[in-house]
Amino acid sequence: NAGVTQTPKFQVLKTGQSMTLQCAQDMNHNSMYWYRQDPGMGLRLIYYSASEGTTDKGEVPNGYNVSRLNKREFSLRLESAAPSQTSVYFCASSEALTGGANTGELFFGEGSRLTVL
Amino acid sequence: AQKVTQAQTEISVVEKEDVTLDCVYETRDTTYYLFWYKQPPSGELVFLIRRNSFDEQNEISGRYSWNFQKSTSSFNFTITASQVVDSAVYFCALSSYKLIFGSGTRLLVRP
Repeated sequence: NAGVTQTPKFQVLKTGQSMTLQCAQDMNHNSMYWYRQDPGMGLRLIYYSASEGTTDKGEVPNGYNVSRLNKREFSLRLESAAPSQTSVYFCASSEALTGGANTGELFFGEGSRLTVL
Repeated sequence: AQKVTQAQTEISVVEKEDVTLDCVYETRDTTYYLFWYKQPPSGELVFLIRRNSFDEQNEISGRYSWNFQKSTSSFNFTITASQVVDSAVYFCALSSYKLIFGSGTRLLVRP
C-alpha cells in the first residue's frame, strides 16, 4: 500500500552542497513528476517524465537535474544548492499521457522539506 | 501558454456556511483536464475531482459541488455546510500534457 515514496523527508544543506531526492512508485505508472511548493506559489513543475527513458523540463527546471532510472524510480538532483531552493518537494506519478493529455489523477508522495542555509 | 488563477488567497468562514472557491484557467488547447486537490494541514495532497474539457456537466459529491463553465474558463468549487475538517489549502489545476497548479486558496472553517 506504499503508493509514492520519497526520501529523505527532511534535509538541511549548506549553499553549494549537492544532494539527490529519491522517488519510487509501485503503481506501475508511466509518468512521474517533481514539483516544488513555496508559500503563496502553489505547486510548480520542475521536471517530468512521460515514460521510462524520457524527461522534460517543467516551469522551473533551472538548478535541477533528473534521472528516470527505471519505470519505478525518478530522482531529482541539486548539483549546487542555493537558498532559493529551500522548499517542499513533491514527487508524483500518474497513468500514461494519452494523446498529449495528462488524463490521470496524480498520486503524490508525502513531500520532502529541504532547507538550504 | 497555460495558466491557472485562484484569486482568493485565503477565505475564512464559520462552520455550516457555504463557501465557493474560484478557479479561472487559460489554455489554447481544445482537449484538457481540470482538477481540484486538497492539502490538509498534514501536508499530503488529496485528489478531489477531474473534469475533461468536453464535459461541462456540473458534479455533486456529498457536500462538494463543482461548476465548470467553458464560456468563462472557470471551474469553481463549492462546499455546502462547511465543517472544521474542510480547513485546508485547495488547489485547482489544469492539464493538457503538463499539470499546472494554481497558487491555492487557504480555507479556514471556524467552529
